[in-house]
Amino acid sequence: AQSVSQHNHHVILSEAASLELGCNYSYGGTVNLFWYVQYPGQHLQLLLKYFSGDPLVKGIKGFEAEFIKSKFSFNLRKPSVQWSDTAEYFCAVTRNTGFQKLVFGTGTRLLVSP
Amino acid sequence: NAGVMQNPRHLVRRRGQEARLRCSPMKGHSHVYWYRQLPEEGLKFMVYLQKENIIDESGMPKERFSAEFPKEGPSILRIQQVVRGDSAAYFCASSPLQDKQETQYFGPGTRLLVL
Repeated sequence: AQSVSQHNHHVILSEAASLELGCNYSYGGTVNLFWYVQYPGQHLQLLLKYFSGDPLVKGIKGFEAEFIKSKFSFNLRKPSVQWSDTAEYFCAVTRNTGFQKLVFGTGTRLLVSP
Repeated sequence: NAGVMQNPRHLVRRRGQEARLRCSPMKGHSHVYWYRQLPEEGLKFMVYLQKENIIDESGMPKERFSAEFPKEGPSILRIQQVVRGDSAAYFCASSPLQDKQETQYFGPGTRLLVL
């Protein structure tokens, strides 16, 4: 069965530090990849997505992610975090066939201290 | 254009009662997905519906849970005879098309607490 692993459950950074959140998936076929963010008290919002093409994807708010097919990874990065990036981040995958059932990782809670 | 709406945002039930969760998709969206987030876990797919049809309910518990998306009105996730283990956040998402590259847009969720 498809699964998504986010190895960092909690991350604490100071403002201006660089961020990298890991995401690995287990599915051998073609996949679509997503990062969603959930700010405190708010609903999930799409940060970025990868379907095909350039494996380096730019998203909103300065985030980017790189799809490395050989490593089954889709890590999220931001060069300099802000206090407002404090949130929970979810990696998710869908298969590129059939309907869009999202398979989520367990999430990473990021706390950015001012 | 309003986003995905869910109500209530918080719901408290005693064991054995029924819980009804509502989801109004974004305007123009005819596909609805329900996900459940248990404490300290990621979101897990429950059911996928189109208007008047259940397309995939492979993530639904076999008993007590049901979902519908009528021709008119919101999608409803119904939990009968709730138990403490049903306490979770229930999220609805919608998309306009059944397209493998279509993004799902999420609602704010309903947080169910069973006492």
